[in-house]
Amino acid sequence: DIVMTQSPDSLAVSLGERATITCKSSQSLLYSATNKNYLAWYQQKAGQSPSLLIYWASIRESGVPDRFIGSGSATDFTLTITNLQAEDVAVYYCQQYFDSRPVTFGGGTKVELK
Amino acid sequence: QVQLVQSGAEVRKPGASVKVSCKASGYTVSEFTMHWVRQAPGKGLEWIGGFDVEEDERIYAQKFWGRVSMTEDTSTYTAYMELRNLRSEDTAIYYCAMDVNVSLTFPSWGQGTLVTVSS
Repeated sequence: DIVMTQSPDSLAVSLGERATITCKSSQSLLYSATNKNYLAWYQQKAGQSPSLLIYWASIRESGVPDRFIGSGSATDFTLTITNLQAEDVAVYYCQQYFDSRPVTFGGGTKVELK
Repeated sequence: QVQLVQSGAEVRKPGASVKVSCKASGYTVSEFTMHWVRQAPGKGLEWIGGFDVEEDERIYAQKFWGRVSMTEDTSTYTAYMELRNLRSEDTAIYYCAMDVNVSLTFPSWGQGTLVTVSS
């Protein structure tokens, strides 16, 4: 199985500041035939279902604010939230879909307000 | 916009089975690409399985082999996930999630169904 490791487990950020979450995979998620990274990011607010933010490592889902930025390649990925807003308080998960057997998620990173 | 509505909370004893349903609306694609993900209390997301369009077959996480079945009624756009021989560690919120883009990412999620396993 591809193991997804997120860090930190939690972080506290002031309103308007930047939050940076990293996700490392145990093997490359870059498929040479497509030159795409099979990595997605989700946001889960308290008491809600997860919501897809980013796919192909850097493409924002429709309706996602541009303060959410996905970057990285191969085994190292980053989700950056610029100009943090109160509504961004949530747990964030990365997910690999390079290998469907099984699809795996990172352990999650909780973003709180400082 | 796809909407997924799941069945209500369930309580089961250890060793029993549970079947959760997920009805899709606003769905216009012919392939029924439903997946199931669970979340134990205070824990992260765990993929259980789903339909792999590229492989044209259902795929399951190995830890659930032999205990899980996923079916679909395409006439009613309803998916079902049955988990058998329940254990206390199966207590979790079970989500259905649709792979609308046929890419093994999940833009659409149900509201979740809490399954509690307790004697």
